[in-house]
Amino acid sequence: QKEVEQNSGPLSVPEGAIASLNCTYSDRGSQSFFWYRQYSGKSPELIMFIYSNGDKEDGRFTAQLNKASQYVSLLIRDSQPSDSATYLCAVNMVYSGGGADGLTFGKGTHLIIQP
Amino acid sequence: DVKVTQSSRYLVKRTGEKVFLECVQDMDHENMFWYRQDPGLGLRLIYFSYDVKMKEKGDIPEGYSVSREKKERFSLILESASTNQTSMYLCASSPLGTGGEEQYFGPGTRLTVT
Repeated sequence: QKEVEQNSGPLSVPEGAIASLNCTYSDRGSQSFFWYRQYSGKSPELIMFIYSNGDKEDGRFTAQLNKASQYVSLLIRDSQPSDSATYLCAVNMVYSGGGADGLTFGKGTHLIIQP
Repeated sequence: DVKVTQSSRYLVKRTGEKVFLECVQDMDHENMFWYRQDPGLGLRLIYFSYDVKMKEKGDIPEGYSVSREKKERFSLILESASTNQTSMYLCASSPLGTGGEEQYFGPGTRLTVT
């Protein structure tokens, strides 16, 4: 069973600090890794994706990937109250049918930024 | 802007009813997906399709079927609804050949089966 694990939280971080969200995955064949943000009652929206080992930065967000450790993380710098949401880690799994790849999601980490 | 729409935001059905959830995307995407999201279980893939009349089972296809007669439309069918199918259902679409970096979700349908 392919799995993606996240700490459910809540993770509470003071405004202006760095929020660090972590994710591990079980399938070494996984190729692509995604972070989605989901506000309560809304659908997920993609905020970052990463394919290669190392860091990828986009504004206040940095995704980090370590394939040897099967670990991916998301850092949010200068955290704002508007960053309070559930963050979903997702991994691309290639299904035997080919063509489309459905994502396997972790259960999400609930992040609270305290003003 | 990519737009994925779902036919209903909220739906209440009775046990044993046949239920249709409709999803339409307007970006000419080849791939379409159906997920369900439950507290404590996260998002789970039910079925997906990469072409008209093509379908592939995801992680939890039992109790569901799908139909894709047109490229822009992907329907999820609950042949005989049961209370354990009460959930939030999310449709998504993406272009062929992308690994998920262009997967866009619809607003979701919250289905309650009584």
